[in-house]
Amino acid sequence: AQSVAQPEDQVNVAEGNPLTVKCTYSVSGNPYLFWYVQYPNRGLQFLLKYITGDNLVKGSYGFEAEFNKSQTSFHLKKPSALVSDSALYFCAVRDSSNDYKLSFGAGTTVTVRA
Amino acid sequence: DAGVIQSPRHEVTEMGQEVTLRCKPISGHNSLFWYRQTMMRGLELLIYFNNNVPIDDSGMPEDRFSAKMPNASFSTLKIQPSEPRDSAVYFCASSLRTGGYEQYFGPGTRLTVT
Repeated sequence: AQSVAQPEDQVNVAEGNPLTVKCTYSVSGNPYLFWYVQYPNRGLQFLLKYITGDNLVKGSYGFEAEFNKSQTSFHLKKPSALVSDSALYFCAVRDSSNDYKLSFGAGTTVTVRA
Repeated sequence: DAGVIQSPRHEVTEMGQEVTLRCKPISGHNSLFWYRQTMMRGLELLIYFNNNVPIDDSGMPEDRFSAKMPNASFSTLKIQPSEPRDSAVYFCASSLRTGGYEQYFGPGTRLTVT
């Protein structure tokens, strides 16, 4: 079985401050982890993924995420948030035992105030 | 690349009518997914195709829903007859079966059944 949890429904930060969006996962095998962003009235846009290797993964638009196996976490981070980063963020996981099915979190709404 | 293309972007129909949603995956991708997004249930996988063959349709709500993929560049999701509870945003996504198999989403079709 596989699942992912995003403990915060909303995250509010000021522009220029660091942004963190939390994600924890549960899998029986090895995790393949993903972050997506959804802007209003748009589809989900792929940001980054962790498959194997370096625990710090860099993605699009200055975002990065850190894989922590002991804490089963994959938090999304951005050192300096922009107002344009305001959107809905989804974490997703796929167990290595299956080759297609993603489990998505409920999403975290990020609001960056000017 | 044009990305995943979906049509129509918006569909308003009356209960009992047939609805057909269309998807063109990214060229060269061999996996295709249909999802439904609602506030109550989040993102749900409806059906997964690999090389045009339906592999997992366990998420299709009931017999009113059907999906086809006649070739590698086109898929349809049909609802007949439609009901108000089918109102949602329907996304098509595609991926390559290599690497992390990350999925790329289309812009979605917002379906309203009155």
